[in-house]
Amino acid sequence: GENVEQHPSTLSVQEGDSAVIKCTYSDSASNYFPWYKQELGKRPQLIIDIRSNVGEKKDQRIAVTLNKTAKHFSLHITETQPEDSAVYFCAAMAGSGNTGKLIFGQGTTLQVKP
Amino acid sequence: EAGVVQSPRYKIIEKKQPVAFWCNPISGHNTLYWYRQNLGQGPELLIRYENEEAVDDSQLPKDRFSAERLKGVDSTLKIQPAELGDSAVYLCASSLRSGQRRTEQYFGPGTRLTVT
Repeated sequence: GENVEQHPSTLSVQEGDSAVIKCTYSDSASNYFPWYKQELGKRPQLIIDIRSNVGEKKDQRIAVTLNKTAKHFSLHITETQPEDSAVYFCAAMAGSGNTGKLIFGQGTTLQVKP
Repeated sequence: EAGVVQSPRYKIIEKKQPVAFWCNPISGHNTLYWYRQNLGQGPELLIRYENEEAVDDSQLPKDRFSAERLKGVDSTLKIQPAELGDSAVYLCASSLRSGQRRTEQYFGPGTRLTVT
C-alpha cells in the first residue's frame, strides 16, 4: 500500500542554523506533497506544499524540493528560530488525480536551541 | 473565518463504553476527513466524505467504528465499544473541492480520547 517514510525522527539545531527533513514515498502516482507543523497539543497547520509539476518552492525561510524520479521530497528551514520548534509532518496524496487522501510520515521533532 | 470545530476536546472513558466525537467543518467546505493520530505518529485517515457521501472508508474499523455526515455539513464519529487501543487524538479536517481543484486540508484541534 501507500507509504511515506520520514527522517530524521528528531533533529536538534542551534538558532540560526538550517534544518533539513527528508521524506520518501511509495506511490509513483502521487502528485501533491504538503508539509504540516504541529506544536504540542495543537492542530497540524500547513506551512508549505508542492505539486509534482514543480521541482522547488520557497516561502521566506522555508523551502521544499521534490525529486519525482527518486520519489523523494525535503523541507528546508533556514535561519531557524526557537519558535520553529515543533513536530513536522510530510505527506503525499495517494493516487493520481485529486483523491484528497493524504498519507503522512511519522513526524520529525525539531528543537531549536537559543 | 471560523476554523474547524471539534468537541469534546478531551474524553476519558472505560473500555467497552461508547463514545462519540463531533465535527463542524469550515463553512462551505464540501470534503470532510476524520483522522486518528496515535502518540508520536502522523495522522491516519479513517474516513473521507464528499458532501454526505463516504467515498473512502477503507481504514475505518467497521466492527466498532461508525460515522455519519447528515446533510453534508456536521459529522459524528462513534466508537462502540471502545478498546484500550483506541486511545488517540481524533482529528477532523475539511477542504473545498471545486472540479479538479482542492484547497488544502484545514485541521480541527482534535479530541484526545483516553480509554482506561
